[in-house]
Amino acid sequence: QKEVEQDPGPLSVPEGAIVSLNCTYSNSAFQYFMWYRQYSRKGPELLMYTYSSGNKEDGRFTAQVDKSSKYISLFIRDSQPSDSATYLCAMSAIEIIFGKGTRLHILP
Amino acid sequence: DTGVSQDPRHKITKRGQNVTFRCDPISEHNRLYWYRQTLGQGPEFLTYFQNEAQLEKSRLLSDRFSAERPKGSFSTLEIQRTEQGDSAMYLCASSLRTVDEKLFFGSGTQLSVL
Repeated sequence: QKEVEQDPGPLSVPEGAIVSLNCTYSNSAFQYFMWYRQYSRKGPELLMYTYSSGNKEDGRFTAQVDKSSKYISLFIRDSQPSDSATYLCAMSAIEIIFGKGTRLHILP
Repeated sequence: DTGVSQDPRHKITKRGQNVTFRCDPISEHNRLYWYRQTLGQGPEFLTYFQNEAQLEKSRLLSDRFSAERPKGSFSTLEIQRTEQGDSAMYLCASSLRTVDEKLFFGSGTQLSVL
């Protein structure tokens, strides 16, 4: 079992829909949880950063961490075509470990 | 531009040749990381530096790979005797470790080994 599991998609949703992206993990030592967005041929860009369990909101984005279930989520409200990208979850105890990424397509 | 800068953006080489990539981190960041990413995969950790000290190296980093960060500023990643399996995007990131684990990535160097 890999340390971080993420469904690679692709996930296609209509413009304006709520998007839910998820990752599970096995290492209970992870303390920092992150979501990155990556456009084609670009480096990942940090979207959300949380420490320990709970919710964090930033504009249209909400990150949730449930350490008891070893499960993290990213919600995107009012999705836009410009949100089409690959979304990578990442988490760290010592090293920062990334999921494979979920390819998201927002259909106009 | 005050972001992480990587050079070159693209490199095509023949198998067996040596290649070197450069990364210039955000100036006040004390940590510098190298990751490798192949199509459909997330970034895989290779190594990181705190200032000029290389603190950790992944098992993925064979002895053909070497990284340096002289004077704790820019870093170079060299791959000797390249193999076709080395073809990937090589990403550099930096962070201010004393604050948090937020990584800021460059746009990467895309390596193609023919």
